[in-house]
Amino acid sequence: DADVTQTPRNRITKTGKRIMLECSQTKGHDRMYWYRQDPGLGLRLIYYSFDVKDINKGEISDGYSVSRQAQAKFSLSLESAIPNQTALYFCATSDLQGTDTQYFGPGTRLTVL
Amino acid sequence: AQTVTQSQPEMSVQEAETVTLSCTYDTSESDYYLFWYKQPPSRQMILVIRQEAYKQQNATENRFSVNFQKAAKSFSLKISDSQLGDAAMYFCAYFGGKLVFGAGTILRVKS
Repeated sequence: DADVTQTPRNRITKTGKRIMLECSQTKGHDRMYWYRQDPGLGLRLIYYSFDVKDINKGEISDGYSVSRQAQAKFSLSLESAIPNQTALYFCATSDLQGTDTQYFGPGTRLTVL
Repeated sequence: AQTVTQSQPEMSVQEAETVTLSCTYDTSESDYYLFWYKQPPSRQMILVIRQEAYKQQNATENRFSVNFQKAAKSFSLKISDSQLGDAAMYFCAYFGGKLVFGAGTILRVKS
């Protein structure tokens, strides 16, 4: 079984809809991250969390919100989706006491029409 | 802010040959980590290799090795004996508190 899972894997939605992307991990890591990938731009950090009570904005947090429901779960919400939020979204985890290496989920392809 | 630059949008290599992917970064920090990630068509982000800035010795993982030049802020990836399965997008990334990615290099492997 995968250590970091994301649901859904693909999603098509319409402008103005609320969307939630979910991430779960079985690695026991404290830190979790949400990234967005756009062609030619690499991955950019949206939000990150170092533990259940800690939420921090990343480079491109506008239009997004997150919830850390448990150590193993970190959800990303788009309150009112817009077409320029069409992208590939990745969740990642890392160990607070570890080597700062981040391990990624399989990604969610989101299309906003 | 730290930046990571991958100057080669696309590279090609013949199967069994060696290829080097370039990466430069900008930082004022002295303690940090550098990574290369591979993204095949499956889109999964796979860790290829990791380098701690305080270590002078270049990291190696089987056919993958790096040339880390701290003073020049350069971190290139060498892939030896290239295989068809190496075809992917490769991302260089810098970690000094947050992970910052380059734009990526597409590697094509010719049989």
